[in-house]
Amino acid sequence: KQEVTQIPAALSVPEGENLVLNCSFTDSAIYNLQWFRQDPGKGLTSLLLIQSSQREQTSGRLNASLDKSSGRSTLYIAASQPGDSATYLCAASQGYQKVTFGIGTKLQVIP
Amino acid sequence: EPEVTQTPSHQVTQMGQEVILRCVPISNHLYFYWYRQILGQKVEFLVSFYNNEISEKSEIFDDQFSVERPDGSNFTLKIRSTKLEDSAMYFCATSVAGNWDTQYFGPGTRLTVL
Repeated sequence: KQEVTQIPAALSVPEGENLVLNCSFTDSAIYNLQWFRQDPGKGLTSLLLIQSSQREQTSGRLNASLDKSSGRSTLYIAASQPGDSATYLCAASQGYQKVTFGIGTKLQVIP
Repeated sequence: EPEVTQTPSHQVTQMGQEVILRCVPISNHLYFYWYRQILGQKVEFLVSFYNNEISEKSEIFDDQFSVERPDGSNFTLKIRSTKLEDSAMYFCATSVAGNWDTQYFGPGTRLTVL
């Protein structure tokens, strides 16, 4: 059974800092890994999707990497802003569209 | 930009009652999913649906749950006899393709069972 773990559970940084969020998964037989953002009381917004054959994806200030063999993914946020404050979830996708989520990292960017 | 929509945003029901949660997928999407998130816990996969059939379901998705696409646009999740532990946010998600594709999530329905 796939288990997805995210470290740290919470993170507080001053505005402008670069930061890294970590995600690990136990079963490397994944189709893709997706990073989401969740704002309080809201749905999930997809940030980046990395296919199993890819090593990284970039979108603006966000960069996600994937190392299937070690069961790890990282989300790098450059030059953090207060608007980046949210919970960041990673999710590993396996057969028949079954997706397993981590508990998330709650990020607070202090102005 | 097209969005997944869900209704109602909040549903309060008595234990033992039936509820139907509704989702309108993005128009060209073919794969549909339901997830739930109990307060403070992980988002959990419930079921995936393609071509009018369930593709995959989790152990949570027992006989009290059912899904259907009644009219070619809506995608519904029915809980037949609600329990207190069914209280959660329920998210619908859709994608164009299946395993290889981004899933787009709706804003969720908060279900409160009293």
